[in-house]
Amino acid sequence: EIVMTQATATLSVSPGERATLSCRASQSVSSNLAWYQQKPGQAPRLLIYGASTRATGIPARFSGSGSGTDFTLTISSLLSEDSAVYYCQQYDYWPWTFGLGTKVEIK
Amino acid sequence: EVQLVESGGGSVQPGGSLRLSCAASGFTISNYWMHWVRQDPGKGLVWVSRIYSDGSDTSYADSVKGRFIISKDNAKNTLYLQMDSLRVEDTALYYCAREYDPVFDYWGQGTVVTISA
Repeated sequence: EIVMTQATATLSVSPGERATLSCRASQSVSSNLAWYQQKPGQAPRLLIYGASTRATGIPARFSGSGSGTDFTLTISSLLSEDSAVYYCQQYDYWPWTFGLGTKVEIK
Repeated sequence: EVQLVESGGGSVQPGGSLRLSCAASGFTISNYWMHWVRQDPGKGLVWVSRIYSDGSDTSYADSVKGRFIISKDNAKNTLYLQMDSLRVEDTALYYCAREYDPVFDYWGQGTVVTISA
């Protein structure tokens, strides 16, 4: 089973600043990586798939990059509504696996 | 509008059973792989099971294999998860999710399952 590691548990960022979240896979997953956003009491919401493709309706301030084992989600200019937990997920090998998440807090 | 609404969660003793349902609207589940994913505070999001669009293919996480059965009723546009021989470690919020492209593009709001003596 592929282990997805999100090394930063909590990230505190000021409004308008850039937030950079990382995710590492225990072995290469090519570009088969997705990012999800989860707000309290809500279901996860798909943000990015294919490592860098924004899902329908996702604002351009969200971008993804990386391939192989190292991936990054960037929120270019943080808004208060971006306060959430962000999960990465690989879909290259079964079973699909998720990271434990990075909580983005607004300073 | 695509919607997934789970139901059937509850509190049972170890060894008990529950049947979760996920009613879909705004799309036809017969055209998609459908999944169950659970979330607990300690382990985050964990994939549980999936079923092919026509129901002919299923797979399970090792932790639930032999105890859980996924099924669907395409006529009712509803997904199910029969959970038997429940364990304390099955306690979680259970989501159903649609697979597309191939990621989870829509999720329900979840139903809580609590297993305790």
